[in-house]
Order: sequence, then C-alpha cells, then structure tokens
Amino acid sequence: GENVEQHPSTLSVQEGDSAVIKCTYSDSASNYFPWYKQELGKGPQLIIDIRSNVGEKKDQRIAVTLNKTAKHFSLHITETQPEDSAVYFCAAIKDRGSTLGRLYFGRGTQLTVWP
Amino acid sequence: GAVVSQHPSWVICKSGTSVKIECRSLDFQATTMFWYRQFPKQSLMLMATSNEGSKATYEQGVEKDKFLINHASLTLSTLTVTSAHPEDSSFYICSASPQDTNYGYTFGSGTRLTVV
Repeated sequence: GENVEQHPSTLSVQEGDSAVIKCTYSDSASNYFPWYKQELGKGPQLIIDIRSNVGEKKDQRIAVTLNKTAKHFSLHITETQPEDSAVYFCAAIKDRGSTLGRLYFGRGTQLTVWP
Repeated sequence: GAVVSQHPSWVICKSGTSVKIECRSLDFQATTMFWYRQFPKQSLMLMATSNEGSKATYEQGVEKDKFLINHASLTLSTLTVTSAHPEDSSFYICSASPQDTNYGYTFGSGTRLTVV
C-alpha cells in the first residue's frame, strides 16, 4: 500500500513568517493530495488539495506544490497568524475518480505560531 | 456543500455498555463512509470502510464484533462500540465524499469516547 512520510513533526514560527511542511509518498499511482488542518478536539478540515496533473495551487496565504517525479508535495503558509496554529496532515490517494478509495495520511505536523 | 455531521461530540459510558456514534452526510449522498480512530498526538487510523447496503470492510487488527458498523442509507452510517472497555476510549471520526465532484473528503467533527 501507499506510505506517506511527513516532516517536520513540530514547527514553531513567529507571526508573519512562512511555514513549510513537506510530505513524500511511495505509490506513483497516487493522484490526489489533500491537506487537512485539525484543531484540538475537532475533526480535520480540508484546507487545500492538488491533483497529479497540476504542479502548484494557491489559495490566498496557502499554497501546495507537487513534484510527481520526486514523489513529494509541500504545504506553504505565508504571513502566518496565531490562528494558523494547529496540526496539519497531508494525505495521498489514487483512483479518486469514480472509485472512492481510502486516504493515506502522514503523521501530522504540530504548527505553533507565536505572536 | 459537502457537510458531514457526527453525533454525539462526546460521550462517557460505563465499562461493559455499548455506545452508538452516528455519521450523516447532510447535503449529499454517500455510498461510502470511512471510520477513523485517533489517539492523542497521533495520526488518523482507518478502522473500516462503510458501504451502503453491504458489509463494512475492516482494516487488519480491528475487531468486527467490537466495532459494529451499519450503513443502512445513503446519508447515515453508524459505529457501535460494543461491550466498551477503558482501552476503547479514543477520538472517533467519520469521513465521506460526494462522488463525481471536485470536493475533497469531508470529516465529521469527531466523537470523544471515554469509558469509565
């Protein structure tokens, strides 16, 4: 099956700085890569996703890049704010089309943004 | 769109009793739903895949008789923790996704189960 590695496990940044979280995957057939933000005591919330036919996607302060050749993808958060503090999970899946497959998650990154 | 509602958000039960957790897709039909378990400061662990009108598919190591899953309609899946023990205390989360759309998988708000 798929194996998703995520680094770092913890990340502390000053408010206004950028934060980068990196993930690698093992199955070259994976073609959909979502990122989730999980606040304490809540379920994960999708913040951005990218498909294998796209190299980069941006949504305001959040961007995701994908390198299919190297099998890695990254989350970039610019101008971080204290409310960005949470656990972030990357995930990978193949056959997203008409077949609902399972997500393979990274182990998570605890992001702390200091004011 | 693509809202998943999960209830209850927290529950405390005595050892030996059973607890039912509901997961509903509010604005879409979900032929497949997923149930996860999450321990503190750990990632989500897939327990089972719930399929409407058929038996759930359990991940290796997950006890089918302990964690009963019923997916009786296109908008509702339930997870029943039977004969609960303190080691079953955990955070349980469900997930679903509309098919044939560009929506990602949506998660419920989770259920904190404490067995005393």
